[in-house]
Amino acid sequence: DGGITQSPKYLFRKEGQNVTLSCEQNLNHDAMYWYRQDPGQGLRLIYYSQIVNDFQKGDIAEGYSVSREKKESFPLTVTSAQKNPTAFYLCASSKLSAGDYYEQYFGPGTRLTVT
Amino acid sequence: RKEVEQDPGPFNVPEGATVAFNCTYSNSASQSFFWYRQDCRKEPKLLMSVYSSGNEDGRFTAQLNRASQYISLLIRDSKLSDSATYLCVVEYNAGNMLTFGGGTRLMVKP
Repeated sequence: DGGITQSPKYLFRKEGQNVTLSCEQNLNHDAMYWYRQDPGQGLRLIYYSQIVNDFQKGDIAEGYSVSREKKESFPLTVTSAQKNPTAFYLCASSKLSAGDYYEQYFGPGTRLTVT
Repeated sequence: RKEVEQDPGPFNVPEGATVAFNCTYSNSASQSFFWYRQDCRKEPKLLMSVYSSGNEDGRFTAQLNRASQYISLLIRDSKLSDSATYLCVVEYNAGNMLTFGGGTRLMVKP
C-alpha cells in the first residue's frame, strides 16, 4: 500500500527536550511538507522540501529543524527553542510540476504534548 | 487580517438538509482553490477542487467568485457521515504552497 506514515501517533516530552517526529512516504513524491495544527486553527506551514538535500522555511519555522537526506523521508525536530510545541503535527507530500497543482496527501499526524 | 477566513460554526443541521459554507481569501493572485474534509483528530483529505466555472461531485457543489474573492461549498441531502470539519484551502504560489482556513464544523443530526 502506498502512503505516508508518521510515528509515533502520540508523543509526550518534558520541556527543554528536543524531539524528532518521523515522516516517511512511498508515493515517490518530490515535495514534502510539515504543518502544525492548533485547536480551532488552520494548518500552518513549518518547513517544506521540493528536492533531496534542500528545504525551505515556512511561516512558522522558528524552533524547528528538518533534514531531507532521502526522497522518502522528511523528519522534523522540535527543539527546546520552540516556545509552544504542544500541537498536532501533520506531514504531507505531493508531486511537483511547474504550473500544475497536485494534491497534497497527509499522514495520520503526531500529537505532541510537552509538559 | 487572516489570509483565508471561514465561519468556525458549528453548523447543526438535520439529516437531509442542505447546508452551505463560505470562505473568503485575501490574495487576489491565488489560482487554485480546494475544500478538504477533516474528521475529528484525523488528517485532512481532499474533498474537491474548486474551478472557476463551478463544479459538482454528487451531493457536493463548489463555486468560486474571483471578483469577490470567496469560495462556497454546498452540501445537499446531508448524511450523518458528513459530520466533519471542512477546510477551505487556497494555493498561494506555483510551488504547491497552500494556505488553510480555520475550518467550519458541521454536525448532522438524526
